[in-house]
Amino acid sequence: DVKVTQSSRYLVKRTGEKVFLECVQDMDHENMFWYRQDPGLGLRLIYFSYDVKMKEKGDIPEGYSVSREKKERFSLILESASTNQTSMYLCASRGPPGQGIGEQYFGPGTRLTVT
Amino acid sequence: GENVEQHPSTLSVQEGDSAVIKCTYSDSASNYFPWYKQELGKRPQLIIDIRSNVGEKKDQRIAVTLNKTAKHFSLHITETQPEDSAVYFCAARGGNQFYFGTGTSLTVIP
Repeated sequence: DVKVTQSSRYLVKRTGEKVFLECVQDMDHENMFWYRQDPGLGLRLIYFSYDVKMKEKGDIPEGYSVSREKKERFSLILESASTNQTSMYLCASRGPPGQGIGEQYFGPGTRLTVT
Repeated sequence: GENVEQHPSTLSVQEGDSAVIKCTYSDSASNYFPWYKQELGKRPQLIIDIRSNVGEKKDQRIAVTLNKTAKHFSLHITETQPEDSAVYFCAARGGNQFYFGTGTSLTVIP
């Protein structure tokens, strides 16, 4: 059973703080993703990584950066948190299509509030 | 890039009735279309998916249909039950990325 875990379920930070959100998966998946989920906007891709040290911008990368130093861990970094980054952040991982149906497995989410 | 639109945004049905959620996509290269169910306070879970070489797939009360020519796919839930109440997301995969619809909040009224 794939497990994707996120470091925090709830987080409250102040404007201007540097914020780290961590995601760990235990299935040796190459692909990992960070989304934010906002009402009426669905899930929007921030960044994804298809291998260690590799990253690609998603649809809304502004204000975020990522780090993938180890295959199992994908970190999302808010360099200087702002109130418009208050959201639910979901991490996901996926193996290559050849390994199975290519579905994504989601973490439980981190609800971040920036005050 | 890909653009996925999902309708309706909210849907209420009586228990036992059917529910249909529709999505359209723009990129003809997209080849994999999953549907996720997200219950309140929980992570999205894959409930059914379809590949571009298949027109329909069923799993008990849930079915998905795909029309590649028209670039739309739909989720069908028959004999709805209160536990089907949730937000449903469609997605289309092109390459390494998934593109999500904006979600449909389904309420099944007992």
